[in-house]
Amino acid sequence: DQQVKQNSPSLSVQEGRISILNCDYTNSMFDYFLWYKKYPAEGPTFLISISSIKDKNEDGRFTVFLNKSAKHLSLHIVPSQPGDSAVYFCAAIISYNTDKLIFGTGTRLQVFP
Amino acid sequence: KAGVTQTPRYLIKTRGQQVTLSCSPISGHRSVSWYQQTPGQGLQFLFEYFSETQRNKGNFPGRFSGRQFSNSRSEMNVSTLELGDSALYLCASSWLQSTGELFFGEGSRLTVL
Repeated sequence: DQQVKQNSPSLSVQEGRISILNCDYTNSMFDYFLWYKKYPAEGPTFLISISSIKDKNEDGRFTVFLNKSAKHLSLHIVPSQPGDSAVYFCAAIISYNTDKLIFGTGTRLQVFP
Repeated sequence: KAGVTQTPRYLIKTRGQQVTLSCSPISGHRSVSWYQQTPGQGLQFLFEYFSETQRNKGNFPGRFSGRQFSNSRSEMNVSTLELGDSALYLCASSWLQSTGELFFGEGSRLTVL
């Protein structure tokens, strides 16, 4: 049972434009939602998160939106830069004395000049 | 500050063998968790440890085991290797604030022939 889903395996965006990565989830008990970025031959790095009681969180060029009624979240990157090319994983956690993250399968973002 | 260190980075084994992977967390982090990354499956939770106690275990067979030492370093072991165990094994550490913000190592890439 895939509790966190990323239905788009890849996305290609021109430099300077907006990148929108999507994620759907099924478990309404999740307390936090996160995005991690992963470059080849490196471990994932935390990018941005949002609490389930909020609908938006912004950090520089990165904004995460949460729609609880639709069980959907999205990551917006504006403007997109070539260095943003990586695999982005959506993740969720039911936070009670645990670090157990449920990850999506990832979306490969390519930003071209 | 040193990050999460995983050894070995790459290894090749044959079916039926066993393997031990090591993880040294960031200094001060007492929570260590392990994830398996395979193509198309994203990152799947294996288990997590806090103060030498296993707090949570994912849906993996008993061939997968782990432990944590008093200095918070952790090891995971896979016995009777199968071809399907070929994957990138990622270790992550945190202060266990349960917000999902983990610090990952670069991973150990296991190939089973």
